[in-house]
Amino acid sequence: DAGVIQSPRHEVTEMGQEVTLRCKPISGHDYLFWYRQTMMRGLELLIYFNNNVPIDDSGMPEDRFSAKMPNASFSTLKIQPSEPRDSAVYFCASTLRPGNIQYFGAGTRLSVL
Amino acid sequence: GNSVTQMEGPVTLSEEAFLTINCTYTATGYPSLFWYVQYPGEGLQLLLKATKADDKGSNKGFEATYRKETTSFHLEKGSVQVSDSAVYFCALTSGGSNYKLTFGKGTLLTVNP
Repeated sequence: DAGVIQSPRHEVTEMGQEVTLRCKPISGHDYLFWYRQTMMRGLELLIYFNNNVPIDDSGMPEDRFSAKMPNASFSTLKIQPSEPRDSAVYFCASTLRPGNIQYFGAGTRLSVL
Repeated sequence: GNSVTQMEGPVTLSEEAFLTINCTYTATGYPSLFWYVQYPGEGLQLLLKATKADDKGSNKGFEATYRKETTSFHLEKGSVQVSDSAVYFCALTSGGSNYKLTFGKGTLLTVNP
């Protein structure tokens, strides 16, 4: 398996623009997680899905953030409108079941100017 | 709630030096403990894990022992290499929220030849 695949690897946008980050989990993994990594706050869980259903979105910072998982092989994290403080590395991870190893993608580095 | 505290970095060592990165935790129930490693420009990878008290996780020469009495999971390696230069994260999952990884802030290790 190719592992968790994220795109794009880098995204530079201007404040106010819509940003969409994409993730393809490992085939057969029922759980998908979105994390944000910043110097100030470290790694934070934003939201996770089980069988394509959002289970816990308590980490989503505000209404400008939304995440979807239309099928078992694809998820998106959208920021609309983007702000400079959203600049971070966003990771997607997947796992077979709770408590198991989470496999991370390479991340998307987002810069909002 | 759950929390992980790991030593502040950065840590700079010469090749073949002994490495210790301290990690302590606070958790409800009986957590599983993990060390993840992030190489430059990549996502996180599991380095080792331990699921119950006195378990020792080991991989690639790294070791960590689950110490319930001191709530610690310190990472050690007897002889580091330049290729070990990376950011190391201590993490845990616990109890009813065992899907959720709680991470420490990360420790940057640089190994010089």
